[in-house]
Amino acid sequence: DIQMTQSPSSLSASVGDRVTITCRASQSSSSYLNWYQQKPGKAPNLLIFDVSSLQSGVPSRFSGSGSGTDFTLTISSLQPEDFATYYCQQSYSTPPTFGQGTKVEIK
Amino acid sequence: QVQLQQSGQGLLKPSQTLSLTCAISGDSVSSNRAAWNWIRQSPSRGLEWLGRTYYRSKWYNDYAVSVKSRITINPDTSKNQFSLQLNSVTPEDTAVYYCARGRSNFDYWGQGTLVTVSS
Repeated sequence: DIQMTQSPSSLSASVGDRVTITCRASQSSSSYLNWYQQKPGKAPNLLIFDVSSLQSGVPSRFSGSGSGTDFTLTISSLQPEDFATYYCQQSYSTPPTFGQGTKVEIK
Repeated sequence: QVQLQQSGQGLLKPSQTLSLTCAISGDSVSSNRAAWNWIRQSPSRGLEWLGRTYYRSKWYNDYAVSVKSRITINPDTSKNQFSLQLNSVTPEDTAVYYCARGRSNFDYWGQGTLVTVSS
């Protein structure tokens, strides 16, 4: 199985900050890397698929980049509704696997 | 708009069988473009994919190695839904269980069902 490791595990930021979350795969995931946002008591919500494609309805302040084993999710200007936990997920091989999550908290 | 509605019991004793159903609206369980997944989430294991069913001229299933001996995912075309059965549950199976649509990414999710295994 491909292991996904996110960093940091948590971060504190203010509204308007630029936030970057990284995800590293234990082996190449090519361009099959997805990002999700999860709020308490809710299912994860797909933000970005295939490294950098924005899911329909997701604000353009979210962006993704990377290739191979190293990937990044960037929020260009953090908004109050963005405080949540973010997960990466590889879809290159079966089983699909998720990172452990990054919790974005209010500073 | 695709919607997934989960149903099933939430409290089990060790050795019992977990049974959940996911009813699909806005898509078809027999779609040649979709796959129908079960994923669980717990503090100890995080988000864990359990398995999927999908139709490509015939039905296929894939299962996670960790549960392969205990899991069955079945489509029900008459009701446009799919189900999860997990046998011989233990407290380690306590988690929120989600159904989700997707072949590579998961774009629609059910609301989640908290399943607690306790004697």
